[in-house]
Amino acid sequence: DVKVTQSSRYLVKRTGEKVFLECVQDMDHENMFWYRQDPGLGLRLIYFSYDVKMKEKGDIPEGYSVSREKKERFSLILESASTNQTSMYLCASSLPNARGSALSNQPQHFGDGTRLSIL
Amino acid sequence: AQKVTQAQTEISVVEKEDVTLDCVYETRDTTYYLFWYKQPPSGELVFLIRRNSFDEQNEISGRYSWNFQKSTSSFNFTITASQVVDSAVYFCALSEVFRGFKTIFGAGTRLFVKA
Repeated sequence: DVKVTQSSRYLVKRTGEKVFLECVQDMDHENMFWYRQDPGLGLRLIYFSYDVKMKEKGDIPEGYSVSREKKERFSLILESASTNQTSMYLCASSLPNARGSALSNQPQHFGDGTRLSIL
Repeated sequence: AQKVTQAQTEISVVEKEDVTLDCVYETRDTTYYLFWYKQPPSGELVFLIRRNSFDEQNEISGRYSWNFQKSTSSFNFTITASQVVDSAVYFCALSEVFRGFKTIFGAGTRLFVKA
C-alpha cells in the first residue's frame, strides 16, 4: 500500500512566521501535490511537482513556495504566514499517466492532512 | 464558474437506505477523467473510482455503483444499503487534457448514516 506521511496532524503558528509542512511518500511516485481544503470550496491545488527539483504552480500559489530535493519528499513553505492561510493542508502523490506526460490522470494517494492554524 | 458541482452539501440517511450523491461537471475537452474520493473522519482521502470520457459504462463494486452520463455531464454515485461506516465526505473530481490533467475537486458532500 502507498503511504503518504505528513509530518504534523495539527500545527499552530503565528502571523509572519515561516512555516514548513513536510510530506513523504514511500512508493517512488514521480508526482506530488499540495492542496488546501476549506469548507464549501473542496480541495484547491497549490503546487505540484513531477520530478525532483521540478515544480509548477497550481491554482492558488500566492503566499506559498515548495521544495523537492528528493523524490520521496515534497515540502510546502509559507514564507510569511497570514491568518487567511489557516486551513487543512493535504499532500498527495501519484504515478504519471501511461504516456509519461508531466501531469497525471492516475489516482492520487493522500496523506492524513495537517490542520494549520495561524494566530 | 464551478467546473465540478456537488449540489448536496450534506445528506443524512438511516442505515440500510440507498443514497445517491450527485456530481455535475463542466468541460470543453473530449478527453477527461472523472474520479470519486472518500474522506472519512480520519482525514485521508481514499480513491474510489476513475472513469475516462470514452467509457460510459456504469460500474458496480459491491454496494457502490456509478452512473456516468455524458449527455447530462453527470457522474453520480449510489451507495446501496448504506452503513454507518459509509459516513464521510465524498468528493467528485475532474481532470482534463487541456489543463494538463490537473485535478479539480468539487466542494464535497458530507454523508451521515445513522444507525
